[in-house]
Amino acid sequence: GAVVSQHPSWVICKSGTSVKIECRSLDFQATTMFWYRQFPKQSLMLMATSNEGSKATYEQGVEKDKFLINHASLTLSTLTVTSAHPEDSSFYICSATSGTGSPEEYFGPGTRLTVT
Amino acid sequence: KNQVEQSPQSLIILEGKNCTLQCNYTVSPFSNLRWYKQDTGRGPVSLTIMTFSENTKSNGRYTATLDADTKQSSLHITASQLSDSASYICVVKGQAGTALIFGKGTTLSVSS
Repeated sequence: GAVVSQHPSWVICKSGTSVKIECRSLDFQATTMFWYRQFPKQSLMLMATSNEGSKATYEQGVEKDKFLINHASLTLSTLTVTSAHPEDSSFYICSATSGTGSPEEYFGPGTRLTVT
Repeated sequence: KNQVEQSPQSLIILEGKNCTLQCNYTVSPFSNLRWYKQDTGRGPVSLTIMTFSENTKSNGRYTATLDADTKQSSLHITASQLSDSASYICVVKGQAGTALIFGKGTTLSVSS
């Protein structure tokens, strides 16, 4: 099956710093990638949708200047949390679709961000 | 409002027993319904995906059913194993171009 990886798997950073999370599709070209955030015991919440080569579309309430998304290639999307604060601590998950007609959305293993 | 409701919220069963998880949705129009398994601290892994024309789909010990008329789905797990302990999430896809709508999940604990 299709594989999506994320790096790092966990990260601890100080308040005010920026953190970059990478999402890669390892064995397929991802025309669309999605970024989700998940708080403990909560379901996934979509943050933004990114298509290769174009600007990401952010969900209502998600600050695009704080959560910078870049989808520079068909296998890589990055999420940068800028000026991180403790309330940004969460589990960030990306997913990808191939756009070949398959409805399947493949999820990455997630990145645990802790802001101290 | 498009919603996906799951029940029960949590479930504890003994190893080897069967169980059934429920999902009701109000999403319309409807494209497909998915069941995912999410282990703690990991991303969701797809179990089944069904379109409105499919009534049942199996993946090993997992069998999903769908009644598009009543907007209900179930996930049946047969002969549960300790490794089945996880959160099971029902997800509905509406019309093309719209985001997935996630249920809050059912937390299953399988004990020996």
